Amino acid sequence: QKEVEQNSGPLSVPEGAIASLNCTYSDRGSQSFFWYRQYSGKSPELIMFIYSNGDKEDGRFTAQLNKASQYVSLLIRDSQPSDSATYLCAVKNSGYSTLTFGKGTMLLVSP
Amino acid sequence: DTEVTQTPKHLVMGMTNKKSLKCEQHMGHRAMYWYKQKAKKPPELMFVYSYEKLSINESVPSRFSPECPNSSLLNLHLHALQPEDSALYLCASSQGGGRIYEQYFGPGTRLTVT
Repeated sequence: QKEVEQNSGPLSVPEGAIASLNCTYSDRGSQSFFWYRQYSGKSPELIMFIYSNGDKEDGRFTAQLNKASQYVSLLIRDSQPSDSATYLCAVKNSGYSTLTFGKGTMLLVSP
Repeated sequence: DTEVTQTPKHLVMGMTNKKSLKCEQHMGHRAMYWYKQKAKKPPELMFVYSYEKLSINESVPSRFSPECPNSSLLNLHLHALQPEDSALYLCASSQGGGRIYEQYFGPGTRLTVT
């Protein structure tokens, strides 16, 4: 059973702080990792993907991948109240074109 | 442009009705997906079409019937649903083949079965 684990939260941070969201996965053969943001009542929006070990930065977002530790994280710098949402970690299943999703971490950014 | 469209946005249907959900993408993607999402849960995969052929059916009840008329369109036909089938139904697409796996979701159809 392939598993993706996330802390359900809520993770509360003040405006302007760095929010750190973490995800671990069980499928050692996984090569592709995704972060989706989902506002309440809306559909998931792809905000970052990472395929190689290390860091990948896009604006205020940084994705970090450590395949040896089976760990992927998302850092949000200068957090804004508009970042308040549920963040879903998704891992591509090895050998298949399907994703396994974590249960999501709710982020609350207070003004 | 990473747009997937879905219609209708909302649907209320009785347990004896037949209805269809529609999904369209114009990104040239060759893989399309149907997901079901209940409140406070992650999306749950239902079906995968790859190059217009059904490649994965995650043991979904036969009251849900997918159809892929062409590479841009995906339908989900609904018949004799149960109240527990009420959920947000999401369509997604990805390039398919190769090494690009990013999936893009449509806005979803909020289905209520009465």
